[in-house]
Amino acid sequence: DGGITQSPKYLFRKEGQNVTLSCEQNLNHDAMYWYRQDPGQGLRLIYYSQIVNDFQKGDIAEGYSVSREKKESFPLTVTSAQKNPTAFYLCASRARGAGEKLFFGSGTQLSVL
Amino acid sequence: QKEVEQDPGPLSVPEGAIVSLNCTYSNSAFQYFMWYRQYSRKGPELLMYTYSSGNKEDGRFTAQVDKSSKYISLFIRDSQPSDSATYLCAIAGAGSYQLTFGKGTKLSVIP
Repeated sequence: DGGITQSPKYLFRKEGQNVTLSCEQNLNHDAMYWYRQDPGQGLRLIYYSQIVNDFQKGDIAEGYSVSREKKESFPLTVTSAQKNPTAFYLCASRARGAGEKLFFGSGTQLSVL
Repeated sequence: QKEVEQDPGPLSVPEGAIVSLNCTYSNSAFQYFMWYRQYSRKGPELLMYTYSSGNKEDGRFTAQVDKSSKYISLFIRDSQPSDSATYLCAIAGAGSYQLTFGKGTKLSVIP
């Protein structure tokens, strides 16, 4: 079945530690996205990538980094510079073209120990 | 003014009621309108997709877009407890790779 796989489902970060969230899609989509969701805040865009080896900052990119070495993969690293990382992180993808539908993975809950 | 406004609720209705969820937006260039349903601690799933103005119906769900008023709605008929979730509106402009999301409305359908 085609879809977007996020792992792990739950992740814990210690003080000063970098952690990486995985996102893989087999939908052959060109564009991939990372969102952060906090209670009452809605979805906030962290980074997005329209093609391999290219990505752009979203609204809240500080303290995060990404890479896009393969079309299928768009990992997100939460660095130690992100002082409030506890949130639900969602990866999404869509095909190239205006108005294409956005599809989401099942999310990763990151908490600070 | 925020680009998309959505009442966060919570909204609580009895089973079988008709539910109306709404968003307003400010940018007249938006052309693509979507509704997502999100169960607790799950990824949002696309429920309805509409291009430009008009209505779209899918089973118990109807999406309406009024571009003149910059107002979109989602109606749920014969609501069920399984409809209890957060509903997010999302809007995009032509040629844009980004969607603008509302903050979501939390709906509870009481048996």
